[in-house]
Amino acid sequence: QVQLQESGPGLVKPSETLTLTCTVSGGSISTYYWSWIRQPPGQGLEWIGYIYHSGSSNYNPSLRSRVTISVDTSKNQFSLKLSSVTAADTAVYYCARHPHGDNSPTDFWGQGTLVTVSS
Amino acid sequence: DIVLTQSPGTLSLSPGERATLSCRASQSVSSSYLAWYQQKPGQAPRLLIYGASSRVTGIPDRFSGSGSGTDFTLTISRLEPEDFAVYYCQQYGSSSPYTFGQGTKLEIK
Repeated sequence: QVQLQESGPGLVKPSETLTLTCTVSGGSISTYYWSWIRQPPGQGLEWIGYIYHSGSSNYNPSLRSRVTISVDTSKNQFSLKLSSVTAADTAVYYCARHPHGDNSPTDFWGQGTLVTVSS
Repeated sequence: DIVLTQSPGTLSLSPGERATLSCRASQSVSSSYLAWYQQKPGQAPRLLIYGASSRVTGIPDRFSGSGSGTDFTLTISRLEPEDFAVYYCQQYGSSSPYTFGQGTKLEIK
């Protein structure tokens, strides 16, 4: 059974860069597409972007100028960097797997990690 | 971007009743790349339905999805206590970005 676990700071200062890592266990990061999705407190879901094990990526245009997603196949991890954060970036951040290519929904999710942007 | 509008925002029903949740897209969703998720408080979303009508392995058959083009429906035939949660639709077609509806909260009446 594939498991995903997000890790990173729970508090980030405004204007700084949010960095999170998703560690995949119980399976290889290769073959699949992997996404980051976020959910502000009490609100809905927003797709941030995905990456393939080859390094190919695609981002939500609304965040593209600030987002970088990278993959480290040797560690079975992929990461999210979101720059110039503001309070509007406060959210629970999830990592998730696309089982059948980029045109598939996400079947396995991490438990999520709350990131608060505040000075 | 494809905007997904879910209705109603909140649905109040009793266990044993039938629930019908709607998801309407601002433009046609290619190849019925439409999914439904269930989210309970403090948990990650759980995939229920993909391809508009295909149920994920292990999801009870009281959950069913239908629709195509711009109009999609999630039906729960007989509500169980554990079904009360928030439900999201999502389109994941080639019309990036992937987008979610705003959610329908299914609450106990």
